[in-house]
Amino acid sequence: DQQVKQNSPSLSVQEGRISILNCDYTNSMFDYFLWYKKYPAEGPTFLISISSIKDKNEDGRFTVFLNKSAKHLSLHIVPSQPGDSAVYFCAASATDGGATNKLIFGTGTLLAVQP
Amino acid sequence: NAGVTQTPKFRILKIGQSMTLQCAQDMNHNYMYWYRQDPGMGLKLIYYSVGAGITDKGEVPNGYNVSRSTTEDFPLRLELAAPSQTSVYFCASSYGAASEKLFFGSGTQLSVL
Repeated sequence: DQQVKQNSPSLSVQEGRISILNCDYTNSMFDYFLWYKKYPAEGPTFLISISSIKDKNEDGRFTVFLNKSAKHLSLHIVPSQPGDSAVYFCAASATDGGATNKLIFGTGTLLAVQP
Repeated sequence: NAGVTQTPKFRILKIGQSMTLQCAQDMNHNYMYWYRQDPGMGLKLIYYSVGAGITDKGEVPNGYNVSRSTTEDFPLRLELAAPSQTSVYFCASSYGAASEKLFFGSGTQLSVL
């Protein structure tokens, strides 16, 4: 049972345009969400996160939006650059008694930014 | 600054063989994790540790064992390798719980033939 879903395996965008990566979740207990970026032959690296008490978090060219009622979050990259080409993973965790130890990852979306 | 170091980077095992994947971090992080990534799939949590001497199962622990005798090291043991364990293995660490960002190693590509 996939609790975190990224339904688009791949996305192609022109340089300078906006990239929108989507993520849906099923577990209403999730209250913290993160995006990781992964280049080939490397481990994932943290990109941006959002707590369920917010609906938006911004860091430079990256913005994450959270819609709790729809159990949906999205990552916007503006403007997209060729160096953004990578696999993006959405991940979620549930606070349990004040501590959370398990991140559940989606299957990833391969973003290709065309020059 | 090394961060999270995994060895080996690549390994081919025969069915039934055993091996240990090594993971070390130099950031004095309390939490450490082992994930596996199968083609077209997300990362699945195998085991995690919240501190030296404390380990717990993740989503897919069968066929694996771990130990955490020091803060720095978190080895993953495969006792009887099976083809289903062919995967890329990632070790990660964080200062606090998983709601904080994880720092990942570069991965170990394991093939069981």
